[in-house]
Amino acid sequence: AQSVTQLDSQVPVFEEAPVELRCNYSSSVSVYLFWYVQYPNQGLQLLLKYLSGSTLVESINGFEAEFNKSQTSFHLRKPSVHISDTAEYFCAVSRSNFGNEKLTFGTGTRLTIIP
Amino acid sequence: TAGITQAPTSQILAAGRSMTLRCTQDMRHNAMYWYRQDLGLGLRLIHYSNTAGTTGKGEVPDGYSVSRANTDDFPLTLASAVPSQTSVYFCASSEASLAGELFFGEGSRLTVL
Repeated sequence: AQSVTQLDSQVPVFEEAPVELRCNYSSSVSVYLFWYVQYPNQGLQLLLKYLSGSTLVESINGFEAEFNKSQTSFHLRKPSVHISDTAEYFCAVSRSNFGNEKLTFGTGTRLTIIP
Repeated sequence: TAGITQAPTSQILAAGRSMTLRCTQDMRHNAMYWYRQDLGLGLRLIHYSNTAGTTGKGEVPDGYSVSRANTDDFPLTLASAVPSQTSVYFCASSEASLAGELFFGEGSRLTVL
């Protein structure tokens, strides 16, 4: 079975500073990788995903993540954060090439932006 | 666009009572899921349904049951609630062609006393 580890439960960052949210996964087969974001009092929304191809994937709001197979990582980065980025971020993994494959979520990282 | 609608948004329930959390989607997705979210534990899958008429157990199914009579509805029932079922419950749906892209409702906060 696959698993996801998010080592940082909370990350405080000053506004306009860069941020990296770490995600490591474990799986014996090929995987798909995802980052979801949960804004306060809302459900989760897909932020970005890696299925195949380019190992660097980007979201529409400036976040990017890089799939690193050798380090089994999929860290999320943003060069300059904004107050509106305050949210909880979840990394998730599923086995590739399986229809309706279930996602396994990490425990989440709460990103707090300090004005 | 409504997407996923959950009800109720919040509920306080006495231990031993039964409760059904409702979930309706209007996207005609085949697959639906119920997750619970607990501080420090992230999201854990309770039950899922790959298509109408079928259901399956997730990571933490004990104490919960589901049904999938049609494509749109996926209710979650707690037959006899216990305090450890205090949590925020999220319903989600997905389409097999959109690998890993789940659409979530806004959650139902349940407190069992």
